[in-house]
Amino acid sequence: DIQLTQSPSSLSASVGDRVTITCRASQSINTFLNWYRLKSGETPNLLIYGASTLQTGVPSRFRGSGSGTDFTLTISSLQPEDFATYYCQQSSSGPRTFGQGTRVEIK
Amino acid sequence: QVQLQESGPGLVKPSETLSLRCTVSGGSLNSYYWGWIRQSPGRGLEWIGYIFYGGSATYNPSFKSRVTMSVDTSENQFSLKLSSLTAADTALYFCVRHHYTYWNGYYWDYIDVWGKGTTVTVSS
Repeated sequence: DIQLTQSPSSLSASVGDRVTITCRASQSINTFLNWYRLKSGETPNLLIYGASTLQTGVPSRFRGSGSGTDFTLTISSLQPEDFATYYCQQSSSGPRTFGQGTRVEIK
Repeated sequence: QVQLQESGPGLVKPSETLSLRCTVSGGSLNSYYWGWIRQSPGRGLEWIGYIFYGGSATYNPSFKSRVTMSVDTSENQFSLKLSSLTAADTALYFCVRHHYTYWNGYYWDYIDVWGKGTTVTVSS
């Protein structure tokens, strides 16, 4: 199975901060990489698919980049609803796998 | 707007079979893959598998022969059965919709709709 490693595992930030989360794949996955936001008690959200395509309705402060094995999710200006856990997920081959998550907390 | 709602028992005994159902509202099952994902503190997010509305399924090998998925287009529902349960199967179970798109020579797959999840505890 393809392993995905996210960093950092958690971070503390303030409203308005720029936040960057990275995801590294154990082998090349082209751009078959998606990003999700999960908040306890709420329906999870797809943010980015195909490494860099913004899902319809997702604010433009979210940006995805990367290809091959290294990917980045950037939130340009953190908003209160963005305090959550973010996961990358690959759809390149084999069983779909997720990163271990990055928890974004309020500083 | 398509919405998914999981239903099933919150508590199941070890060695028994878990049965979960997902009801789709605001849309039909047609032309999509429908799947299950679970989340637990020790294992993070695990993809269990998915099933096409026509009935063909793909499962995560990690679940070996324990998993069966089915669809009921007349009820607009799909289901998960997971057998031989142990405490390690205790988790929050989500039903999801996989969106497949063919573009630029490739099939792109992402999960665009999630249910809120249902907690399943395996305990005697």
